[in-house]
Amino acid sequence: EPEVTQTPSHQVTQMGQEVILRCVPISNHLYFYWYRQILGQKVEFLVSFYNNEISEKSEIFDDQFSVERPDGSNFTLKIRSTKLEDSAMYFCASSEIGQATYGYTFGSGTRLTVV
Amino acid sequence: GQNIDQPTEMTATEGAIVQINCTYQTSGFNGLFWYQQHAGEAPTFLSYNVLDGLEEKGRFSSFLSRSKGYSYLLLKELQMKDSASYLCAVRDRSSGGSYIPTFGRGTSLIVHP
Repeated sequence: EPEVTQTPSHQVTQMGQEVILRCVPISNHLYFYWYRQILGQKVEFLVSFYNNEISEKSEIFDDQFSVERPDGSNFTLKIRSTKLEDSAMYFCASSEIGQATYGYTFGSGTRLTVV
Repeated sequence: GQNIDQPTEMTATEGAIVQINCTYQTSGFNGLFWYQQHAGEAPTFLSYNVLDGLEEKGRFSSFLSRSKGYSYLLLKELQMKDSASYLCAVRDRSSGGSYIPTFGRGTSLIVHP
């Protein structure tokens, strides 16, 4: 069964450092997303991406965050200067169509720990 | 935005049936999703409802009443592996035509032998 692949599975970084989280969405999917989940809290939307540009973003997705699709397969989330409160599980997801009536397919996540 | 309310935790016995409720408030309802999330793992899609009624999929069924702002997920013949968090997510088109669903806090289901 096709899956969304995320690397690394766990990243530890010092406060103020830049991190790049990587994702390979399902190959025939056109819509890509980043979500985060702080430990014990709900899954929160960060950004959606379609046709090589951001289609929606939440209040969480401020100037410290950026996304990129550098080639035909990878989809990355960059955090420029990490803060302690950025510690969370970051999930990449993809869907075949925007309405996602079949739901999103989530990757297994990257656990980011900022120290 | 949406107000999504689910019980925090439920317990049930292996082999039994459990119903997990979700209530929501939106001004432009456009679909409700249920996801299952095991601890430390990604959410996996279970069901999608946009019209009133019951959608059945094997041991899992999901019900929607748009007029009441209410959904439930019904799990039959519970197995130990069903112990997980169950997330209700609602899409509200009133926010500028967004297709992005908002997730509730999830219901942690514990299945006992």
